[in-house]
Amino acid sequence: EDQVTQSPEALRLQEGESSSLNCSYTVSGLRGLFWYRQDPGKGPEFLFTLYSAGEEKEKERLKATLTKKESFLHITAPKPEDSATYLCAVQPSGNTPLVFGKGTRLSVIA
Amino acid sequence: SAVISQKPSRDICQRGTSLTIQCQVDSQVTMMFWYRQQPGQSLTLIATANQGSEATYESGFVIDKFPISRPNLTFSTLTVSNMSPEDSSIYLCSYQEGAGNQPQHFGDGTRLSIL
Repeated sequence: EDQVTQSPEALRLQEGESSSLNCSYTVSGLRGLFWYRQDPGKGPEFLFTLYSAGEEKEKERLKATLTKKESFLHITAPKPEDSATYLCAVQPSGNTPLVFGKGTRLSVIA
Repeated sequence: SAVISQKPSRDICQRGTSLTIQCQVDSQVTMMFWYRQQPGQSLTLIATANQGSEATYESGFVIDKFPISRPNLTFSTLTVSNMSPEDSSIYLCSYQEGAGNQPQHFGDGTRLSIL
């Protein structure tokens, strides 16, 4: 069964304190792994797509990496505006739908 | 990416009634999707809505309860029928860019509470 597990469930950081969020997956053939940011009262906002192990993508203070079993979202010197829930989703092979993790709630304190 | 909007943004309904949620994209897209998001849970796909064909429902979701329309390439509706308190949730629509391994983009959701 295709599965996505995100850890930790919640993370509280001081402003400037770098850290990483984890997304572990088991899937029958990975077509793509997606990271989203979701603010309260809003829909998920697309951040990155990763397609193969070793691939990395960066955007401002965020960097996403991918191995054959997991992906990391690294947050460098976070600011309070980075506070949100970060969702990971995988696209298995074939015609199967996206599988989402439950997300990591990130709070960055000034 | 195209702009996607949903309405209503929230509603409070009586049990036994039905509510139709609308989803509009500002350009033509092939695939649109409807999800449910419950507190502390993953996004769960309800169905895939393709223009010109019947919606494809995921396990646990049936057409009688969640009828979907897709009259053209920019619009879709989801109806939540004969609502009960267990239907209280956030309902999200999304569209996919191009092929199957491209990202989906989401609306801001409809927050539904059933009394």
